[in-house]
Amino acid sequence: GEKVEQHQSTLSVREGDSAVINCTYTDTASSYFPWYKQEAGKSLHFVIDIRSNVDRKQSQRLTVLLDKKAKRFSLHITATQPEDSAIYFCAAEGTGYQNFYFGKGTSLTVIP
Amino acid sequence: DAGVTQTPRHEVAEKGQTIILKCEPVSGHNDLFWYRQTKIQGLELLSYFRSKSLMEDGGAFKDRFKAEMLNSSFSTLKIQPTEPKDSAVYLCASSPGGANTGQLYFGEGSKLTVL
Repeated sequence: GEKVEQHQSTLSVREGDSAVINCTYTDTASSYFPWYKQEAGKSLHFVIDIRSNVDRKQSQRLTVLLDKKAKRFSLHITATQPEDSAIYFCAAEGTGYQNFYFGKGTSLTVIP
Repeated sequence: DAGVTQTPRHEVAEKGQTIILKCEPVSGHNDLFWYRQTKIQGLELLSYFRSKSLMEDGGAFKDRFKAEMLNSSFSTLKIQPTEPKDSAVYLCASSPGGANTGQLYFGEGSKLTVL
């Protein structure tokens, strides 16, 4: 089945700098890649996604890039703010049913 | 619209007990997922329902874990008998389903501690 790897378990940036979180996947048939944010003590909530028919998607300060050849996708956060501090999970939709495989999360700390 | 509702938020059980976690998906959503979240393993799929039919049963979790969807607005996850290694946060999520995959809407989770 699909395997999603999130390469940084932690990431620290200074407020105002950019943050980049990288993920790779194994199933070439995967076509949908969402990102979720989990703030301390809370559940996951959706932040942005990308489908395989495009290679870039932007929503305000968030941009997702998808490189299908390398089976890699990344979340870019510009002008980081302290409220961006959270654990970010990448995911990929596996083949067959709508089943999502999650990375293990990257804990982002934005230092004021 | 109400989001995904999970109860109880916290549960403490003795080893060997039976516990039942409950989930109400977003109204109108066709897909419902149960995940287990731990720091070491991350998010692991336990069960996936589409229109109340069980599509995935999480393989390794079959023996003591049983999820049911009694109607389109209510699901339960039974763990029987519980073991200390079951201590985790259990997350329920739903999505509209349909031809195009969409985002998952997660509940706040049920934190289970097995002594």
